Amino acid sequence: EDQVTQSPEALRLQEGESSSLNCSYTVSGLRGLFWYRQDPGKGPEFLFTLYSAGEEKEKERLKATLTKKESFLHITAPKPEDSATYLCAVHPIQGAQKLVFGQGTRLTINP
Amino acid sequence: GAVVSQHPSWVICKSGTSVKIECRSLDFQATTMFWYRQFPKQSLMLMATSNEGSKATYEQGVEKDKFLINHASLTLSTLTVTSAHPEDSSFYICSAPKGTQYFGPGTRLLVL
Repeated sequence: EDQVTQSPEALRLQEGESSSLNCSYTVSGLRGLFWYRQDPGKGPEFLFTLYSAGEEKEKERLKATLTKKESFLHITAPKPEDSATYLCAVHPIQGAQKLVFGQGTRLTINP
Repeated sequence: GAVVSQHPSWVICKSGTSVKIECRSLDFQATTMFWYRQFPKQSLMLMATSNEGSKATYEQGVEKDKFLINHASLTLSTLTVTSAHPEDSSFYICSAPKGTQYFGPGTRLLVL
């Protein structure tokens, strides 16, 4: 069974304090791994897609990396506006276009 | 990116009534769309896959007669919650693929 586990469930940082969020996955075959940001009361906002181990993508203060078993979302010198829930999802090779989501990490950046 | 809209953004209804939620892909066509449900502080739960020109595919445990899905065109899918009850109160989100999955802003349903 395809599974995605995110850790930690919640993370509180001070502004400027860098950290990483983890997404561990088990799939029969990986078509792609996605990171989304979700603000309260809104739909998920697309951040990154990673397709193969060793791939990295960056956007402003965020960098996503991928291995064969997990992905990390690195946040460098975060600002309060980076506070949100970050969702990781995998697109298995089997299952048409359905995504399997993790439970998310609620990130709070204190000023 | 790609834009997906939902309407309404929130709705309050009485128990026993039906509620229709629309999901539109604004700048691309989508033969497939997805409907999710999200409870507070929980992740997204896939309810069903909406297919243009054919029947929707429901996930295990989702009542197809309660959650009616119609993929009316290549840019529109609707979810109708029939005979809504308070336990149906939730945040409903749709998505459509254009390379990657793009999500709508969500619809908050409150059933009194």
